[in-house]
Amino acid sequence: GAGVSQSPSNKVTEKGKDVELRCDPISGHTALYWYRQSLGQGLEFLIYFQGNSAPDKSGLPSDRFSAERTGGSVSTLTIQRTQQEDSAVYLCASSYRSGRGPSEQYFGPGTRLTVT
Amino acid sequence: QQPVQSPQAVILREGEDAVINCSSSKALYSVHWYRQKHGEAPVFLMILLKGGEQKGHDKISASFNEKKQQSSLYLTASQLSYSGTYFCGTPGLGGQNFVFGPGTRLSVLP
Repeated sequence: GAGVSQSPSNKVTEKGKDVELRCDPISGHTALYWYRQSLGQGLEFLIYFQGNSAPDKSGLPSDRFSAERTGGSVSTLTIQRTQQEDSAVYLCASSYRSGRGPSEQYFGPGTRLTVT
Repeated sequence: QQPVQSPQAVILREGEDAVINCSSSKALYSVHWYRQKHGEAPVFLMILLKGGEQKGHDKISASFNEKKQQSSLYLTASQLSYSGTYFCGTPGLGGQNFVFGPGTRLSVLP
């Protein structure tokens, strides 16, 4: 079956512009995660959705970052007034959520964002 | 709070064994292990849900000690394909977030 897809795969933008990153999770996966990975670094948690709701937005780095999920499926991560430090790979993952907590996460290929 | 991983990096020859450790100052309810090859997305290896539970994936196994708040990943008779960065991760309290360790870079040489 289809895996997690993300678009665009690469995005180059000028400092100060807004960008939208899209994630299409695996059908039926209720949980969706966004992470940021700077070059050579680890996975920084940004936000988690269970269905359409995001109980905890404290992982978002600043108020320039926002995310939404509609119909329990597609999610969009928006970065306003981009800064050079926003340059990174943005990864989306989806999973089932069992009664024992999160199950394995399936990652998309990521969107590489470069802010010039 | 981010789990701690050790070592930061390890270099092996094919056929050698390695252990990667993951520990936390907070209670661990479950530990997830992922491998990320260069330029690729992370790939799930295994989840450990109970204290002392061991899981296996080919010649990769793991253990989870709830009391010590730590997990170890064991790579036996390593293959070239094992090269990559290994991350442990755990859900936060209430499962509202998910935190990964900083990663352990494993290089397997012929």
